Amino acid sequence: AQTVTQSQPEMSVQEAETVTLSCTYDTSENNYYLFWYKQPPSRQMILVIRQEAYKQQNATENRFSVNFQKAAKSFSLKISDSQLGDTAMYFCAFMKVGSGTYKYIFGTGTRLKVLA
Amino acid sequence: DADVTQTPRNRITKTGKRIMLECSQTKGHDRMYWYRQDPGLGLRLIYYSFDVKDINKGEISDGYSVSRQAQAKFSLSLESAIPNQTALYFCATSAGVGGAEQYFGPGTRLTVT
Repeated sequence: AQTVTQSQPEMSVQEAETVTLSCTYDTSENNYYLFWYKQPPSRQMILVIRQEAYKQQNATENRFSVNFQKAAKSFSLKISDSQLGDTAMYFCAFMKVGSGTYKYIFGTGTRLKVLA
Repeated sequence: DADVTQTPRNRITKTGKRIMLECSQTKGHDRMYWYRQDPGLGLRLIYYSFDVKDINKGEISDGYSVSRQAQAKFSLSLESAIPNQTALYFCATSAGVGGAEQYFGPGTRLTVT
């Protein structure tokens, strides 16, 4: 069974600084997707970034980028130029491809606070 | 209007009561999901449905049931609520392709006293 681990329950960063959130996962699959979702205080879950396992190039979305290390089963999220609006809970998620189920497995989350 | 809506947004109920949480979506997706979020545990899958005639149990389905009334509607029921079902519940939808983004509703905060 797949598992997703986020070892940092809480983190803080100064506004305009860079912060990295860690995520590791365990799987025997070769074909899968990884995601980072953001949950601000409004509770709404919002997709931040997605990575296909077969792509070596790390995904980037504006100030958000990932460091995907497939062999190490690591998928960290880097937030550059942190903004107060980045304050949220961040969840890492794994999706196996090929079985047709397309179910997500979520980590336990990292609460990020951006300080003014 | 939101693509995925949930009603109610907040609910307080008593132990032993039956309660239904409703979800509607306008994304046109076939796949719908119910999750439960607890502090320190992340989101856990309760049930999922890939079309109106397809219902599947997730990892924590005990004590819950679901109904897929139409492509756009997926409801979650607690037949006899208990305090440890106090949690934040999310409905989500996705297209039927690998790597598809899941679109979440705003969540229902349920408290069982």
